[in-house]
Amino acid sequence: EAGVAQSPRYKIIEKRQSVAFWCNPISGHATLYWYQQILGQGPKLLIQFQNNGVVDDSQLPKDRFSAERLKGVDSTLKIQPAKLEDSAVYLCASSLITGQSGSGANVLTFGAGSRLTVL
Amino acid sequence: AQRVTQPEKLLSVFKGAPVELKCNYSYSGSPELFWYVQYSRQRLQLLLRHISRESIKGFTADLNKGETSFHLKKPFAQEEDSAMYYCALSPTTGANSKLTFGKGITLSVRP
Repeated sequence: EAGVAQSPRYKIIEKRQSVAFWCNPISGHATLYWYQQILGQGPKLLIQFQNNGVVDDSQLPKDRFSAERLKGVDSTLKIQPAKLEDSAVYLCASSLITGQSGSGANVLTFGAGSRLTVL
Repeated sequence: AQRVTQPEKLLSVFKGAPVELKCNYSYSGSPELFWYVQYSRQRLQLLLRHISRESIKGFTADLNKGETSFHLKKPFAQEEDSAMYYCALSPTTGANSKLTFGKGITLSVRP
């Protein structure tokens, strides 16, 4: 099966500029996640969608970050304006519907990530 | 709140030596535990999950609810095991369970 696709792979911007990342999950995966991974740390969940609805965005800095998943498939994560501390790898992942029993539940498939550098 | 602690940042061993990567968790309910791995220049991927009770690439992990631990073990390390390993936790019940990761540990296996 095709994996989780992300673009761009790398992005360098200056602080206060804006940036957008795109993710296409595995076909049939209802749940989509955006994680932020700062160098030396584990991935931190920013937002979780189930189909096109948000189910957890408690750690998303909503004053500057936004995300949408139109039609329950592709998703876009935007940062505006960017700060130096936003430099990180932004990981998109998808899974079958979580919270249910079954071999696929809660097993995430990750994309290659989008590395953001804010100068 | 759910939390995962990986107390060590780096473990360096020689090929053939035993490996134990430590993971402790904090969660009041019934958790599901995972180990994810990231090899150099590759994507983060699932290594194993406790409910499967499988041995993957020679690695095993047992959930110890009394000690709230889920340590990853391998009796004889190989050079190809060198990678970044992350322990992760998710509640087993409730829709839309959130997967929380630890900070990760780098395993370096020397020839």
